[in-house]
Amino acid sequence: EPEVTQTPSHQVTQMGQEVILRCVPISNHLYFYWYRQILGQKVEFLVSFYNNEISEKSEIFDDQFSVERPDGSNFTLKIRSTKLEDSAMYFCASSEGRHSPLHFGNGTRLTVT
Amino acid sequence: GDSVTQMEGPVTLSEEAFLTINCTYTATGYPSLFWYVQYPGEGLQLLLKATKADDKGSNKGFEATYRKETTSFHLEKGSVQVSDSAVYFCARLHTGGGNKLTFGTGTQLKVEL
Repeated sequence: EPEVTQTPSHQVTQMGQEVILRCVPISNHLYFYWYRQILGQKVEFLVSFYNNEISEKSEIFDDQFSVERPDGSNFTLKIRSTKLEDSAMYFCASSEGRHSPLHFGNGTRLTVT
Repeated sequence: GDSVTQMEGPVTLSEEAFLTINCTYTATGYPSLFWYVQYPGEGLQLLLKATKADDKGSNKGFEATYRKETTSFHLEKGSVQVSDSAVYFCARLHTGGGNKLTFGTGTQLKVEL
């Protein structure tokens, strides 16, 4: 069964550094998403992306964050100048249509030290 | 705003016991409702869903019924197995369209022999 893949599975970075989290959505899916889960807290929506532009973003998704689909297969989340509170599990998801079920990747655990 | 509340865990059961994990949602419109499961080391997987009142979602022996009158979507299974040990997340589709999900905090289930 096709799946969403995320790399790396664990990323450790120093405060102030930039990180790029990578995702390969399911190939025929058109809608892409990033969610995050701070340890012990809820899974939170960050951003949705369709047709090469952001379709919706949460208040968490400020200027520190950006997303990009650099080619036909990858979908990336860039976090500039990371802060300690950015430490979380980041989940990528994709869906075939606007109201289709989301398929999630295994997540990237980001640790900011 | 949209929110989902689910019972706190961990829930510890013996194999073959009956499982209920409670979930309630804010009654803004009639959102689609979901249960996702996260097995250790893996991503979020869609377990079941219901899109309108009185719908029953079911999968792998798990069931949940969309109850409009009590704004609930409780997850049940008649006889749990050790392999059901995971974290279970209740979620609702955000009011206003799109595919943004609002998640509960997750409930960890541990099934012992």
